Amino acid sequence: DGGITQSPKYLFRKEGQNVTLSCEQNLNHDAMYWYRQDPGQGLRLIYYSQIVNDFQKGDIAEGYSVSREKKESFPLTVTSAQKNPTAFYLCASRPTLRGYTGELFFGEGSRLTVL
Amino acid sequence: AQRVTQPEKLLSVFKGAPVELKCNYSYSGSPELFWYVQYSRQRLQLLLRHISRESIKGFTADLNKGETSFHLKKPFAQEEDSAMYYCALSRPVGALLRQINAGNNRKLIWGLGTSLAVNP
Repeated sequence: DGGITQSPKYLFRKEGQNVTLSCEQNLNHDAMYWYRQDPGQGLRLIYYSQIVNDFQKGDIAEGYSVSREKKESFPLTVTSAQKNPTAFYLCASRPTLRGYTGELFFGEGSRLTVL
Repeated sequence: AQRVTQPEKLLSVFKGAPVELKCNYSYSGSPELFWYVQYSRQRLQLLLRHISRESIKGFTADLNKGETSFHLKKPFAQEEDSAMYYCALSRPVGALLRQINAGNNRKLIWGLGTSLAVNP
């Protein structure tokens, strides 16, 4: 069954702790993205990666880090430097084919709560 | 600056009534516009893209370049249409034509979303 898998679905963390959210895709997509979804604020881009071993900061990268060591995987670490980490995090991917206009495929999301 | 505006946070209609979710954009180039939908407990997914000019689940959206709008419409709303709807604009972020034509370096600009509630 092809798709994007995010884990865990729910995560609780104490202040001061780092936490890593997993995102795996078996769609053979080149590009992967991390978004943060907050009520009333839509989707805000944290980081994205167009290709393995390369990634770029999005609009709200501060307090987050990523890696892209494999095409299938794009984990997101929420560090203790992130001032307001409680949120719903969405991972997405897409192919980078010639003429492709940008549909994104999303995971089911991970809800992080900082206690 | 590029921007996507969805003026309504919440839209409530009765079943069988027409529904229109508004989306306005500001972009100096030729826009590529999308509507995404997020049903309760489901993942965000593409509903429509303007280049395909299709009708999905009874929804249509026409790009109006004069009014810079891409409103989503359905003549008769159903309860199962209740969801969060996002309008998005795709634009290239790279300066190189080669990258743009290859589909690389495209960025989606999102509206804040409209929550549609269809009441029985």
